[in-house]
Amino acid sequence: NAGVTQTPKFQVLKTGQSMTLQCAQDMNHEYMSWYRQDPGMGLRLIHYSVGAGITDQGEVPNGYNVSRSTTEDFPLRLLSAAPSQTSVYFCASSYSVTSRGTDTQYFGPGTRLTVL
Amino acid sequence: GESVGLHLPTLSVQEGDNSIINCAYSNSASDYFIWYKQESGKGPQFIIDIRSNMDKRQGQRVTVLLNKTVKHLSLQIAATQPGDSAVYFCAENPGTYKYIFGTGTRLKVLA
Repeated sequence: NAGVTQTPKFQVLKTGQSMTLQCAQDMNHEYMSWYRQDPGMGLRLIHYSVGAGITDQGEVPNGYNVSRSTTEDFPLRLLSAAPSQTSVYFCASSYSVTSRGTDTQYFGPGTRLTVL
Repeated sequence: GESVGLHLPTLSVQEGDNSIINCAYSNSASDYFIWYKQESGKGPQFIIDIRSNMDKRQGQRVTVLLNKTVKHLSLQIAATQPGDSAVYFCAENPGTYKYIFGTGTRLKVLA
């Protein structure tokens, strides 16, 4: 298994540009999520999905869209990039979804995004 | 990468010594906890987990202790090695789909 993969590894955008960060997992995990990681702060949840066709907002969803058309893929779209979105973005997945949330999350290698 | 680790508390230990990294969690309803290791420029890597019905769990060279009374979690690394140098952070699951992550501690292993 490749685990959780993310592309690209690095990206530089100009303010106002749009782009999609790709995330895929080959472990048949139900749950997938996107986080951003900024200096001095813990990982912050942007959006998550508990299965194909189901997405919901996390802690910091503004400026980002997601979709989950397949179990494997969970792309994150930046609609109009802003300098405040400069960050490292991580995708994570976990196997199961229960009434008490989800279990161990496994992370991808990250995408380092700079918005000028 | 390195920019993520700015302003983090740092624990420096001699190679071969034991390390103890602490975490105070926030939600008394949390029932599942994970420790992650993050090396520079990489994604967080799962180390060990523990559920709230346990006080202690051991892995290979690592032990996690849970004190629910004071909402405290610790990670003990035995015989610390240079490859253990990284940022370590805890995560708690408060019974929703939204984990809560700590800011982390940087572990530096001195030769």
